[in-house]
Amino acid sequence: GAGVSQSPSNKVTEKGKDVELRCDPISGHTALYWYRQSLGQGLEFLIYFQGNSAPDKSGLPSDRFSAERTGGSVSTLTIQRTQQEDSAVYLCASSLVLAPSSYNEQFFGPGTRLTVL
Amino acid sequence: LAKTTQPISMDSYEGQEVNITCSHNNIATNDYITWYQQFPSQGPRFIIQGYKTKVTNEVASLFIPADRKSSTLSLPRVSLSDTAVYYCLVGDMPNDYKLSFGAGTTVTVRA
Repeated sequence: GAGVSQSPSNKVTEKGKDVELRCDPISGHTALYWYRQSLGQGLEFLIYFQGNSAPDKSGLPSDRFSAERTGGSVSTLTIQRTQQEDSAVYLCASSLVLAPSSYNEQFFGPGTRLTVL
Repeated sequence: LAKTTQPISMDSYEGQEVNITCSHNNIATNDYITWYQQFPSQGPRFIIQGYKTKVTNEVASLFIPADRKSSTLSLPRVSLSDTAVYYCLVGDMPNDYKLSFGAGTTVTVRA
């Protein structure tokens, strides 16, 4: 079946503008994750959804960042008043949570490359 | 997640075996060792996971010594398409869902 998809693949915006990034997880995956990867850097966790609720928002870097998930499926990451340091690749992943003790492999989308001028 | 150390880069040629060693001196009893692969302009992809001894799948082998303070990812007979960044993660993976990758090891395979 289809993998995780993200849109847009590339986004160029001006400093101070708001942006919305979309993630379509694999059908049936109850868990959804957002990460950020800056150039030459590792992966930075942002937020985790279980169904439509976000039990862990600890990675969101500031209150300009927010995310929601509706219908247990599509998720949107919104960045308000973008800054140049927000430039990065934003990755979404989903997993099928089988049981607390099982390894729930995360399947990643291709990412959205955000450039803030 | 436990801290890991792996080489920044490795070069190889087609047909050779590539071995990437990851150090994780502070690994905990409940921790598993997981490797991800990331191609340019793509998200990371799970390769293999193990707890101790040796694990093999269709992509790679993972060797873990008895003290578990290090592990070696082995890619047999690499091809140009194996050029990617390889990340070593150590953690209680069922629960450590906040995957945190470092810089990883950039493997470049040449013809």
